[in-house]
Amino acid sequence: EPEVTQTPSHQVTQMGQEVILRCVPISNHLYFYWYRQILGQKVEFLVSFYNNEISEKSEIFDDQFSVERPDGSNFTLKIRSTKLEDSAMYFCASSVQGARQPQHFGDGTRLSIL
Amino acid sequence: DQQVKQNSPSLSVQEGRISILNCDYTNSMFDYFLWYKKYPAEGPTFLISISSIKDKNEDGRFTVFLNKSAKHLSLHIVPSQPGDSAVYFCAANGGYGGNTPLVFGKGTRLSVIA
Repeated sequence: EPEVTQTPSHQVTQMGQEVILRCVPISNHLYFYWYRQILGQKVEFLVSFYNNEISEKSEIFDDQFSVERPDGSNFTLKIRSTKLEDSAMYFCASSVQGARQPQHFGDGTRLSIL
Repeated sequence: DQQVKQNSPSLSVQEGRISILNCDYTNSMFDYFLWYKKYPAEGPTFLISISSIKDKNEDGRFTVFLNKSAKHLSLHIVPSQPGDSAVYFCAANGGYGGNTPLVFGKGTRLSVIA
């Protein structure tokens, strides 16, 4: 069964450094998302992406964050200058079409900021 | 602002019996509801969904019930198996647009005892 893949599984970074989290969505999916889950808290929406542009973003997704689909398969989340509070599990998801279709999630990247 | 609430952090059920997980929501714009299952160190795995035009959806051992007037949904697992032990998340989205974000509950940890 096709799946969303994320790399790396764990990233440790010094505060203030840039980090890029990578995702390969399911191949025939058109909508892409990033979510995060801080330890002990809910899974929270960050951003959605369709047709090579951001469709919607949350308040969390400030100027430090950016997303890109550099080629036909990868979907990346960049955090420009990481902060301690960026430590979380980051999940990528994709769906065939947006409305009333399940979003399928990768296994996440655990980001640890020191 | 808890738009999706799972009030039971944990549930313990004997193998072979029914597991019932509950979820309440407050946002009247939600029209699509999903249940995800999550094992440690993995991403949420889509289980089953229901659109607001239905009040029941069944897939094998899993049935989701939706009560729109009460803004309540539940997931029934019959019969429960030890492999069902995981954290279960209720999620919802809706409104117009192709890719509205999912709003998650905090999750319920299900333990199925052999």
